[in-house]
Amino acid sequence: GIQVEQSPPDLILQEGANSTLRCNFSDSVNNLQWFHQNPWGQLINLFYIPSGTKQNGRLSATTVATERYSLLYISSSQTTDSGVYFCAVEDPKAAGNKLTFGGGTRVLVKP
Amino acid sequence: DTGVSQDPRHKITKRGQNVTFRCDPISEHNRLYWYRQTLGQGPEFLTYFQNEAQLEKSRLLSDRFSAERPKGSFSTLEIQRTEQGDSAMYLCASEGYRDYEQYFGPGTRLTVT
Repeated sequence: GIQVEQSPPDLILQEGANSTLRCNFSDSVNNLQWFHQNPWGQLINLFYIPSGTKQNGRLSATTVATERYSLLYISSSQTTDSGVYFCAVEDPKAAGNKLTFGGGTRVLVKP
Repeated sequence: DTGVSQDPRHKITKRGQNVTFRCDPISEHNRLYWYRQTLGQGPEFLTYFQNEAQLEKSRLLSDRFSAERPKGSFSTLEIQRTEQGDSAMYLCASEGYRDYEQYFGPGTRLTVT
């Protein structure tokens, strides 16, 4: 099946700093989503971005499908940005629309 | 629209007991997914329904696991004869017919003692 790798695995930021999270995937995908998992375990949708660039406030994402990677940018980080960020993709060769998740990037923003 | 809901939020059970979890998807979403997440890992796919039909099951879903979605609305996930290795967060997600974005519920955290 499709493999998804995220880097870095851990990230410590000072409040106000900018950062880039990366997601590499091993094959072409139908769907790519970025999620933020809060300390209570809730997965919050950030972006649905199989290709192109999107922005939502201080967050933006870019997916280059032909090169099999996606980037999530966090600007002017805040302590509430702490948590785990997951990239998840849908394999067009698999039945159904199940998502395959990467291992996540654990972000800690210090005040 | 209140989003995907799951019940209970936490469950502690003794090894060998049976447990059942419920997921209520977003209204009119025809696809429903179950995932399992263990500590420090990303969620892993368990099974998927389109309306009331269970269309795919992962190898992770042993014979002790069963899922249903009667009438294509809410879904239940039952684990029989629980084992300590079943301790995890069980997540439910739903997706609309023309919407390829999955939305997740808050999860049910299972602890088997």
